[in-house]
Amino acid sequence: GEDVEQSLFLSVREGDSSVINCTYTDSSSTYLYWYKQEPGAGLQLLTYIFSNMDMKQDQRLTVLLNKKDKHLSLRIADTQTGDSAIYFCAERGSNDYKLSFGAGTTVTVRA
Amino acid sequence: DSGVTQTPKHLITATGQRVTLRCSPRSGDLSVYWYQQSLDQGLQFLIQYYNGEERAKGNILERFSAQQFPDLHSELNLSSLELGDSALYFCASSATSERSYEQYFGPGTRLTVT
Repeated sequence: GEDVEQSLFLSVREGDSSVINCTYTDSSSTYLYWYKQEPGAGLQLLTYIFSNMDMKQDQRLTVLLNKKDKHLSLRIADTQTGDSAIYFCAERGSNDYKLSFGAGTTVTVRA
Repeated sequence: DSGVTQTPKHLITATGQRVTLRCSPRSGDLSVYWYQQSLDQGLQFLIQYYNGEERAKGNILERFSAQQFPDLHSELNLSSLELGDSALYFCASSATSERSYEQYFGPGTRLTVT
């Protein structure tokens, strides 16, 4: 079955870059996602990358995918206090549409 | 705002009871997914419907069932509730064809079983 792993916590200073890492096991993954969950809120789709891409940039967000190592990362440039949240990595296999999620990384931005 | 709505926002009920959670997908989206988020299991896929038909099943208990109606809204029915069913239940929707890989989540229904 699918297995997605993430580190649980990240503390970063305001203005610095944050890097959140994720590994997955399903080599047939077609899309990989990053979702953000703020306290008491639902999951917000931040960005996603197709498995044949190495990198995707969207404003302050940069996604890097190393398909050989099954490693995905999300870099947030110029991290702000509003970026404090739980970030979930998720993958979608080739045969279905369901998403398999990691446990989430809690990002805390300190002044 | 993702455009996916869920009601109710909070639900408190007793063990053994039955509840119904409701989801309205984004306008035009034909697929609806249900996920459960709990402290011990994390985010788990439960079930998917596409245009009224069940498309995929995940770790959904037999006590749970879902359906999608002709107007595309969906309901998740949870029966014989146990303390361990306390969780946040999310609905997500996606369109068909080219953008089907984008799943948009609703705000969730927090279920507390006492």
